[in-house]
Amino acid sequence: DQQVKQNSPSLSVQEGRISILNCDYTNSMFDYFLWYKKYPAEGPTFLISISSIKDKNEDGRFTVFLNKSAKHLSLHIVPSQPGDSAVYFCAATKPFTGGGNKLTFGTGTQLKVEL
Amino acid sequence: EAEVAQSPRYKITEKSQAVAFWCDPISGHATLYWYRQILGQGPELLVQFQDESVVDDSQLPKDRFSAERLKGVDSTLKIQPAELGDSAMYLCASSRALGGTQYFGPGTRLLVL
Repeated sequence: DQQVKQNSPSLSVQEGRISILNCDYTNSMFDYFLWYKKYPAEGPTFLISISSIKDKNEDGRFTVFLNKSAKHLSLHIVPSQPGDSAVYFCAATKPFTGGGNKLTFGTGTQLKVEL
Repeated sequence: EAEVAQSPRYKITEKSQAVAFWCDPISGHATLYWYRQILGQGPELLVQFQDESVVDDSQLPKDRFSAERLKGVDSTLKIQPAELGDSAMYLCASSRALGGTQYFGPGTRLLVL
């Protein structure tokens, strides 16, 4: 049962344009969401996060939007740069109740930013 | 910037052999996680430690996998015996505390022949 879904395995965008990566989740208990970026042969790098009490969080060129009613979040990268080319993972976690706080990841979206 | 260290970066082994992976979390991080990432999928948690105690090992195949963090700092994940299906990237992550942002190491890529 895939609780976090990234339905687009790949996305290609021109340099300078906006990249929009999407993520859907099914578990209404999730209350914190994160985006990680992963280059080949490296571990995931934390990018940005958002709490379920917010609908938007911005950090430089990266903005994450959360629509709780639709159980959907998206990552916007503006402007896109060639160095942004990587696999982007959406992840979610439930409220910590003492039993651990594992991240549940989506399957990733490969972003390619072309010159 | 402090990083999570992992070794080895790559490991090739034959099935039925034993393998071990090592992780050194960011200094001061009390929580340590081991994830497994199969090609084309997202990472999945195997085990989580808070200091030296296991918090969650519900997804760890305990018949062949073991993990320890004896002094609450670095950690070792072992597989014995390795099977073909264990070929994957093994990622270690750490956070300052339970519920904190998790920072990942570079991973160990395991190939079982």
